Amino acid sequence: QKEVEQNSGPLSVPEGAIASLNCTYSDRGSQSFFWYRQYSGKSPELIMSIYSNGDKEDGRFTAQLNKASQYVSLLIRDSQPSDSATYLCAVTGGNYGQNFVFGPGTRLSVLP
Amino acid sequence: DADVTQTPRNRITKTGKRIMLECSQTKGHDRMYWYRQDPGLGLRLIYYSFDVKDINKGEISDGYSVSRQAQAKFSLSLESAIPNQTALYFCATSDSEGQGPLDEQYFGPGTRLTVT
Repeated sequence: QKEVEQNSGPLSVPEGAIASLNCTYSDRGSQSFFWYRQYSGKSPELIMSIYSNGDKEDGRFTAQLNKASQYVSLLIRDSQPSDSATYLCAVTGGNYGQNFVFGPGTRLSVLP
Repeated sequence: DADVTQTPRNRITKTGKRIMLECSQTKGHDRMYWYRQDPGLGLRLIYYSFDVKDINKGEISDGYSVSRQAQAKFSLSLESAIPNQTALYFCATSDSEGQGPLDEQYFGPGTRLTVT
């Protein structure tokens, strides 16, 4: 079992729709969770961080964390073509210590 | 100017050559990391350093070495490059004094390395 899993996609959504990206992790002791956006050939860019169970909203982005289910998600409302990118989930803490473990990423395509 | 810079941005080298990738940061962060990224495999940690005198191996350190010359500089060396080291390499930094329980990482622009 991989430590951090994501559907590789591509996930295609129409412009204006809600895109839902999911991530599961294996270490129950994990403490911090991050979503990065990466455009092709570019470096990852931090979008959201979440540390506690529940929802965290920032503009069109909402991160959701459920530690009991070892699940973290990212919702993108009113999706735009400019949101088309690969989204990386990263987890740290627990057995990972202070290192980040990244998932393989989900490729999102927002269709005009 | 970018907070985290990497040089070179692109490099083509031959099998067996020694190559160094350099990373500099102006963010004042104490922690620095080197990752490689391969299609479908995500980011994998090569080495990390929590301060100038602290160097640690990551998930895939074989075939690589690092040097932390100063708080702001962290270089990655391939002593004898091989074709399966062809990848996109990223440097990242983080701050141990950050606001979260474990702070975010900030990435450089990447170095695309091709070993022929």
